[in-house]
Amino acid sequence: NAGVMQNPRHLVRRRGQEARLRCSPMKGHSHVYWYRQLPEEGLKFMVYLQKENIIDESGMPKERFSAEFPKEGPSILRIQQVVRGDSAAYFCASSPAPLVGNQPQHFGDGTRLSIL
Amino acid sequence: GQQLNQSPQSMFIQEGEDVSMNCTSSSIFNTWLWYKQEPGEGPVLLIALYKAGELTSNGRLTAQFGITRKDSFLNISASIPSDVGIYFCAGLAYNNNDMRFGAGTRLTVKP
Repeated sequence: NAGVMQNPRHLVRRRGQEARLRCSPMKGHSHVYWYRQLPEEGLKFMVYLQKENIIDESGMPKERFSAEFPKEGPSILRIQQVVRGDSAAYFCASSPAPLVGNQPQHFGDGTRLSIL
Repeated sequence: GQQLNQSPQSMFIQEGEDVSMNCTSSSIFNTWLWYKQEPGEGPVLLIALYKAGELTSNGRLTAQFGITRKDSFLNISASIPSDVGIYFCAGLAYNNNDMRFGAGTRLTVKP
């Protein structure tokens, strides 16, 4: 998983607080994907971003969740007014081009979010 | 949406045994991928399959893209303790960027 950096690795929040998860893609990668993983389950797609643009957010809840990938800096997944059900591992992946072009996708080691 | 059914959910095997796991889908995928995830880490790509019928090996791992494009299997031969982990299949449909994951197969290898 070298290359895709996620921080923090662990994040604890109380209900109602905001959680901000950061992802720095691999060098040269301009496509970022966020996934959520609940215990004992596979990863669920949330959102796909290319620099400064959201390409597909079909897997992201309409309320409280937002994502951005600014021209400079990491991609941010933001969860407002967190609830217990938001507790999960959130993974970021990056690729050099869209996945439809058979491009490999590299994952970070995730942020484990716990809501008290 | 497209659902991936991965089986078995878990396997407990003896070192040296061969392992087989598979994924099926109700929809067609253009790409099948197999990942391994260890505790506290993200998934690591093991094998990527891009053509129906394709059979690809990576060391002791072999995976095939089903001819109907609705299934794939992963075989691990002569398992060793470091094969322990969760194996996920993932599929990507045509002109789509959201990869679908199976629920995983948890592999335990007893020395």
